[in-house]
Amino acid sequence: DIQMTQSPASLSASLGETVTIQCQASEDIYSGLAWYQQKPGKSPQLLIYGASSLQDGVPSRFSGSGSGTQYSLKISSMQTEDEGVYFCQQGLKYPNTFGAGTKLELK
Amino acid sequence: EVQLQESGPGLVKPSQSLSLTCSVTGYSITSNYWGWIRKFPGNKMEWMGYISYSGSTSYNPSLKSRISITRDTSKNQFFLQLNSVTTEDTATYYCARLWGGYTTDYYYDYFDYWGQGVMVTVSS
Repeated sequence: DIQMTQSPASLSASLGETVTIQCQASEDIYSGLAWYQQKPGKSPQLLIYGASSLQDGVPSRFSGSGSGTQYSLKISSMQTEDEGVYFCQQGLKYPNTFGAGTKLELK
Repeated sequence: EVQLQESGPGLVKPSQSLSLTCSVTGYSITSNYWGWIRKFPGNKMEWMGYISYSGSTSYNPSLKSRISITRDTSKNQFFLQLNSVTTEDTATYYCARLWGGYTTDYYYDYFDYWGQGVMVTVSS
């Protein structure tokens, strides 16, 4: 299975701050990566697919980048509603696998 | 709008079978792929398997001997059965629609619509 190593495990950010979350795959996943946000008691919401494509309805402050084995999710200006847990997921090979999650809190 | 909703018992005894239903509205399950994912306490997520528009299935090898995903197209529902459960199967179970795309020459999957999840505890 492809292992997805996500970092950091948690972080806190101030309003307006730029936040970056990293995800490293154990092999090249050719940009077959998605990012999700999950708020407490809610289901995961798709943010980014194909490493850098923004899902419809997702605010433009979210962006994804990367290639090969290294990917990142950036929030350009932290907002209150961005608190939650963020997951990466590789969809290139079965079984699809997920990162361990990053808990983002407002400082 | 595509909506998915899981249902099923919240408590299952060890060695018994876990059975969940995913009811889909706004989209036919005879199109696309439909999957089950679970989230363990502590946030670890595991892809369990999917059923395709044609009824074919694919399962996580870690579960292959215990899992079955089936469907009822007349009700637009698909189902998860997990046999011989243990306390390690305690998790929140989600159903989701798989969507796919191409990047250079490679096809990849992602989950664009999710159910709200159902928490299942395995305990005697």
